[in-house]
Amino acid sequence: QLQLQESGPGLVKPSETLSLTCTVSGGSISSSSYYWGWIRQPPGKGLEWIGSIYYSGSTYYNPSLKSRVTISVDTSKNQFSLKLSSVTAADTAVYYCARHDAAARPDPNWFDPWGQGTLVTVSS
Amino acid sequence: DIQMTQSPSTLSASVGDRVTITCRASQSISSWLAWYQQKPGKAPKLLIYKASSLESGVPSRFSGSGSGTEFTLTISSLQPDDFATYYCQQYNSLWTFGQGTKVEIK
Repeated sequence: QLQLQESGPGLVKPSETLSLTCTVSGGSISSSSYYWGWIRQPPGKGLEWIGSIYYSGSTYYNPSLKSRVTISVDTSKNQFSLKLSSVTAADTAVYYCARHDAAARPDPNWFDPWGQGTLVTVSS
Repeated sequence: DIQMTQSPSTLSASVGDRVTITCRASQSISSWLAWYQQKPGKAPKLLIYKASSLESGVPSRFSGSGSGTEFTLTISSLQPDDFATYYCQQYNSLWTFGQGTKVEIK
Protein backbone atom coordinates (compact mmCIF):
# COMPACT_ATOMS: atom_id res chain seq x y z
CA GLN A 1 0.00 0.00 0.00
CA LEU A 2 1.48 3.29 -1.09
CA GLN A 3 2.19 5.75 1.70
CA LEU A 4 3.53 9.28 1.68
CA GLN A 5 5.08 11.10 4.63
CA GLU A 6 5.98 14.78 4.84
CA SER A 7 8.92 15.95 6.93
CA GLY A 8 10.60 19.26 7.68
CA PRO A 9 10.69 22.20 10.10
CA GLY A 10 7.39 23.22 11.65
CA LEU A 11 8.49 26.82 12.16
CA VAL A 12 10.06 29.12 9.58
CA LYS A 13 10.98 32.77 9.99
CA PRO A 14 9.54 35.43 7.66
CA SER A 15 11.63 36.03 4.51
CA GLU A 16 13.33 32.64 4.87
CA THR A 17 12.86 29.49 2.77
CA LEU A 18 10.43 26.74 3.68
CA SER A 19 11.80 23.28 2.90
CA LEU A 20 9.83 20.05 3.05
CA THR A 21 10.47 16.49 1.89
CA CYS A 22 7.97 13.79 1.03
CA THR A 23 9.09 10.19 1.38
CA VAL A 24 7.20 7.62 -0.68
CA SER A 25 6.98 4.04 0.57
CA GLY A 26 5.24 0.96 -0.76
CA GLY A 27 5.84 1.96 -4.37
CA SER A 28 8.32 3.56 -6.73
CA ILE A 29 8.45 7.27 -7.36
CA SER A 30 9.81 6.38 -10.81
CA SER A 31 6.49 4.99 -12.02
CA SER A 32 5.59 6.28 -15.47
CA SER A 33 1.93 6.66 -14.49
CA TYR A 34 2.25 9.31 -11.83
CA TYR A 35 3.41 12.77 -10.99
CA TRP A 36 3.97 13.79 -7.36
CA GLY A 37 2.40 16.91 -5.96
CA TRP A 38 2.32 19.41 -3.14
CA ILE A 39 -0.91 20.97 -1.89
CA ARG A 40 -1.40 23.30 1.06
CA GLN A 41 -4.26 24.32 3.31
CA PRO A 42 -4.13 27.44 5.52
CA PRO A 43 -5.79 26.91 8.92
CA GLY A 44 -9.55 26.82 8.51
CA LYS A 45 -9.38 27.40 4.76
CA GLY A 46 -9.47 25.48 1.49
CA LEU A 47 -6.93 23.59 -0.59
CA GLU A 48 -4.37 25.16 -2.92
CA TRP A 49 -2.27 23.18 -5.39
CA ILE A 50 1.38 24.29 -5.25
CA GLY A 51 3.12 22.20 -7.87
CA SER A 52 3.85 18.73 -9.21
CA ILE A 53 6.87 16.83 -10.49
CA TYR A 54 7.52 13.74 -12.64
CA TYR A 55 10.34 11.35 -11.83
CA SER A 56 12.26 12.73 -14.81
CA GLY A 57 12.18 16.19 -13.23
CA SER A 58 9.46 17.70 -15.39
CA THR A 59 7.42 20.14 -13.32
CA TYR A 60 4.18 22.08 -13.18
CA TYR A 61 3.86 25.06 -10.84
CA ASN A 62 0.94 27.16 -9.67
CA PRO A 63 1.36 30.47 -11.53
CA SER A 64 0.57 32.41 -8.36
CA LEU A 65 3.51 30.81 -6.55
CA LYS A 66 5.85 30.01 -9.42
CA SER A 67 8.39 32.74 -8.69
CA ARG A 68 8.98 31.34 -5.19
CA VAL A 69 8.59 27.56 -5.65
CA THR A 70 11.08 24.87 -6.52
CA ILE A 71 10.13 21.18 -6.52
CA SER A 72 12.80 18.53 -6.99
CA VAL A 73 12.93 14.73 -7.01
CA ASP A 74 15.47 12.21 -5.73
CA THR A 75 14.63 8.84 -7.24
CA SER A 76 17.46 7.09 -5.36
CA LYS A 77 15.76 7.98 -2.08
CA ASN A 78 12.18 7.73 -3.37
CA GLN A 79 11.63 11.30 -2.24
CA PHE A 80 10.53 14.62 -3.64
CA SER A 81 10.96 18.02 -2.07
CA LEU A 82 9.43 21.48 -1.90
CA LYS A 83 11.21 24.78 -1.42
CA LEU A 84 9.19 27.98 -1.00
CA SER A 85 11.25 31.13 -0.69
CA SER A 86 10.59 34.53 0.90
CA VAL A 87 7.81 33.21 3.11
CA THR A 88 5.34 35.40 4.96
CA ALA A 89 2.59 34.69 7.47
CA ALA A 90 0.29 34.01 4.52
CA ASP A 91 2.30 30.85 3.82
CA THR A 92 1.33 29.35 7.19
CA ALA A 93 -0.53 26.18 6.32
CA VAL A 94 -0.72 22.42 6.50
CA TYR A 95 1.38 21.16 3.61
CA TYR A 96 0.39 17.87 2.00
CA CYS A 97 2.21 15.73 -0.50
CA ALA A 98 0.21 13.44 -2.75
CA ARG A 99 0.48 11.14 -5.72
CA HIS A 100 -0.81 12.92 -8.80
CA ASP A 101 -2.40 10.41 -11.15
CA ALA A 102 -1.33 10.55 -14.78
CA ALA A 103 -2.38 7.09 -15.90
CA ALA A 104 -5.59 8.15 -17.63
CA ARG A 105 -4.23 11.07 -19.68
CA PRO A 106 -0.83 12.58 -20.50
CA ASP A 107 -1.47 15.40 -18.05
CA PRO A 108 -1.94 14.63 -14.36
CA ASN A 109 -5.44 14.36 -12.97
CA TRP A 110 -6.56 13.75 -9.39
CA PHE A 111 -4.56 13.37 -6.17
CA ASP A 112 -4.53 10.03 -4.40
CA PRO A 113 -3.30 9.03 -1.89
CA TRP A 114 -2.22 11.93 0.31
CA GLY A 115 0.27 12.17 3.12
CA GLN A 116 -1.00 13.05 6.58
CA GLY A 117 0.16 16.65 6.21
CA THR A 118 2.54 18.80 8.21
CA LEU A 119 1.80 22.19 9.72
CA VAL A 120 4.32 24.88 8.87
CA THR A 121 4.03 28.15 10.77
CA VAL A 122 5.75 31.30 9.55
CA SER A 123 6.62 33.45 12.52
CA SER A 124 9.58 35.26 14.01
CA ASP B 1 -7.31 30.34 -14.38
CA ILE B 2 -10.34 28.11 -13.91
CA GLN B 3 -12.30 29.03 -10.78
CA MET B 4 -14.39 26.42 -8.96
CA THR B 5 -17.37 27.53 -6.89
CA GLN B 6 -19.18 25.16 -4.53
CA SER B 7 -22.61 25.62 -3.03
CA PRO B 8 -23.71 25.68 -0.36
CA SER B 9 -20.72 26.51 1.85
CA THR B 10 -22.38 24.76 4.78
CA LEU B 11 -25.16 22.21 4.75
CA SER B 12 -27.07 20.99 7.81
CA ALA B 13 -28.58 17.54 7.45
CA SER B 14 -29.73 14.52 9.41
CA VAL B 15 -28.74 10.87 9.19
CA GLY B 16 -30.67 9.28 6.34
CA ASP B 17 -31.09 12.52 4.37
CA ARG B 18 -30.29 12.75 0.68
CA VAL B 19 -27.62 15.42 0.27
CA THR B 20 -26.54 17.24 -2.89
CA ILE B 21 -23.52 19.51 -3.27
CA THR B 22 -22.98 21.60 -6.40
CA CYS B 23 -19.70 22.61 -8.00
CA ARG B 24 -19.54 25.11 -10.86
CA ALA B 25 -16.55 25.79 -13.08
CA SER B 26 -15.80 29.22 -14.57
CA GLN B 27 -15.38 27.56 -17.97
CA SER B 28 -16.04 24.15 -19.43
CA ILE B 29 -13.90 21.38 -17.96
CA SER B 30 -15.57 18.47 -19.80
CA SER B 31 -15.71 15.67 -17.20
CA TRP B 32 -12.33 16.39 -15.67
CA LEU B 33 -13.54 16.71 -12.08
CA ALA B 34 -12.80 14.93 -8.82
CA TRP B 35 -14.48 15.01 -5.42
CA TYR B 36 -12.79 14.59 -2.04
CA GLN B 37 -13.92 14.13 1.55
CA GLN B 38 -11.92 15.68 4.37
CA LYS B 39 -12.43 15.12 8.07
CA PRO B 40 -10.95 17.42 10.74
CA GLY B 41 -7.21 16.96 11.14
CA LYS B 42 -7.03 14.47 8.28
CA ALA B 43 -5.91 14.55 4.67
CA PRO B 44 -8.50 14.65 1.89
CA LYS B 45 -9.69 11.31 0.56
CA LEU B 46 -10.59 10.76 -3.09
CA LEU B 47 -14.23 9.80 -3.59
CA ILE B 48 -14.96 10.30 -7.29
CA TYR B 49 -12.94 11.02 -10.41
CA LYS B 50 -13.89 11.87 -13.99
CA ALA B 51 -17.07 13.44 -12.60
CA SER B 52 -18.92 10.17 -11.98
CA SER B 53 -16.44 7.31 -11.47
CA LEU B 54 -16.49 5.95 -7.93
CA GLU B 55 -13.07 5.32 -6.40
CA SER B 56 -12.52 1.75 -5.25
CA GLY B 57 -13.69 1.18 -1.69
CA VAL B 58 -15.97 4.21 -1.57
CA PRO B 59 -19.54 3.38 -0.52
CA SER B 60 -22.11 3.32 -3.31
CA ARG B 61 -24.25 5.93 -1.53
CA PHE B 62 -21.82 8.47 -3.01
CA SER B 63 -22.38 9.43 -6.64
CA GLY B 64 -21.27 12.19 -8.96
CA SER B 65 -22.75 13.66 -12.10
CA GLY B 66 -22.39 16.53 -14.52
CA SER B 67 -20.19 17.78 -17.33
CA GLY B 68 -19.12 21.07 -18.80
CA THR B 69 -19.48 23.64 -16.04
CA GLU B 70 -21.95 22.15 -13.54
CA PHE B 71 -21.40 19.13 -11.36
CA THR B 72 -23.05 17.52 -8.35
CA LEU B 73 -22.00 15.17 -5.58
CA THR B 74 -24.90 13.26 -4.05
CA ILE B 75 -24.99 11.21 -0.88
CA SER B 76 -28.12 9.09 -1.16
CA SER B 77 -28.58 8.39 2.55
CA LEU B 78 -26.32 10.34 4.88
CA GLN B 79 -24.46 8.23 7.44
CA PRO B 80 -22.76 9.38 10.67
CA ASP B 81 -19.34 8.86 9.05
CA ASP B 82 -20.23 11.27 6.24
CA PHE B 83 -20.20 14.46 8.31
CA ALA B 84 -17.16 16.14 6.83
CA THR B 85 -16.06 18.80 4.36
CA TYR B 86 -16.23 18.03 0.65
CA TYR B 87 -14.11 19.57 -2.09
CA CYS B 88 -14.33 19.46 -5.85
CA GLN B 89 -11.17 19.74 -7.97
CA GLN B 90 -10.84 20.38 -11.70
CA TYR B 91 -8.03 18.94 -13.77
CA ASN B 92 -8.86 20.31 -17.21
CA SER B 93 -6.28 23.09 -17.01
CA LEU B 94 -3.80 22.97 -14.16
CA TRP B 95 -5.48 21.99 -10.90
CA THR B 96 -7.81 24.03 -8.72
CA PHE B 97 -10.14 23.20 -5.86
CA GLY B 98 -13.51 24.53 -4.81
CA GLN B 99 -13.72 26.33 -1.48
CA GLY B 100 -15.37 23.38 0.22
CA THR B 101 -18.80 22.41 1.56
CA LYS B 102 -19.12 21.47 5.20
CA VAL B 103 -21.80 18.89 5.93
CA GLU B 104 -22.83 19.24 9.55
CA ILE B 105 -25.33 17.58 11.84
CA LYS B 106 -28.73 19.22 11.88
